[in-house]
Amino acid sequence: EVQLVESGGGLVQPGRSLRLSCTASGFTFGDYDMSWFRQAPGKGLEWVGFIRSKAYGGATEYAASVKGRFTISRDDSKNIAYLQMNSLKTEDTAVYYCTRDSNFWDLIVGATVTYMDVWGKGTTVTVSS
Amino acid sequence: DIQMTQSPSSLSASVGDRVTITCRASQSISSFLNWYQQKPGKAPKLLIYAASSLQSGVPSRFSGSGSGTDFTLTISSLQPEDFATYYCQQSYSSLTFGGGTKVQIK
Repeated sequence: EVQLVESGGGLVQPGRSLRLSCTASGFTFGDYDMSWFRQAPGKGLEWVGFIRSKAYGGATEYAASVKGRFTISRDDSKNIAYLQMNSLKTEDTAVYYCTRDSNFWDLIVGATVTYMDVWGKGTTVTVSS
Repeated sequence: DIQMTQSPSSLSASVGDRVTITCRASQSISSFLNWYQQKPGKAPKLLIYAASSLQSGVPSRFSGSGSGTDFTLTISSLQPEDFATYYCQQSYSSLTFGGGTKVQIK
């Protein structure tokens, strides 16, 4: 079964750090880009960032709201993606989801569409003093 | 940043109704549009990718259409398990979501 399991969430004080893990199973982890999303209580979905597969250099990109504070990495030997969160703020309080990213070659458009076809159940991060 | 606007933000419908949700992009995004369903306390689930491609395992009552700036998610005959919040997402430039449409029981 294809599965993603997030872990590492919890209560943390503002300004501190936390590292989330996303453990994958049931597919060849190294072949896929991976993303992180979050959802603040009662709010919509927000993209946090992604990491490309090693085939694409393992490049990373981040949302403006977390750039410079959050870092995504991956260990393909362990099938784990990480989200290192530093200098946490109260507004970082959310459920954090990791996703497997798949691509579709749109013949009509002549371009690749990315979509998130597998989601973990999420882990809750609460930033509060 | 590309802004995604969904309408309505909520709707009430009955089992068997045809439901249509609209998503508008602030600029053309071609067919770089995905739809997700989220139930309370659960992770989102992919329904439609590339504007109109049905994800494997998703019932055929779900369909998507549109290109450029205007997109539609249609549920042809609403079922009890379809009461949820639906989000559109663009992947043309970075990734942004619409604000969501909550489908409630009438």
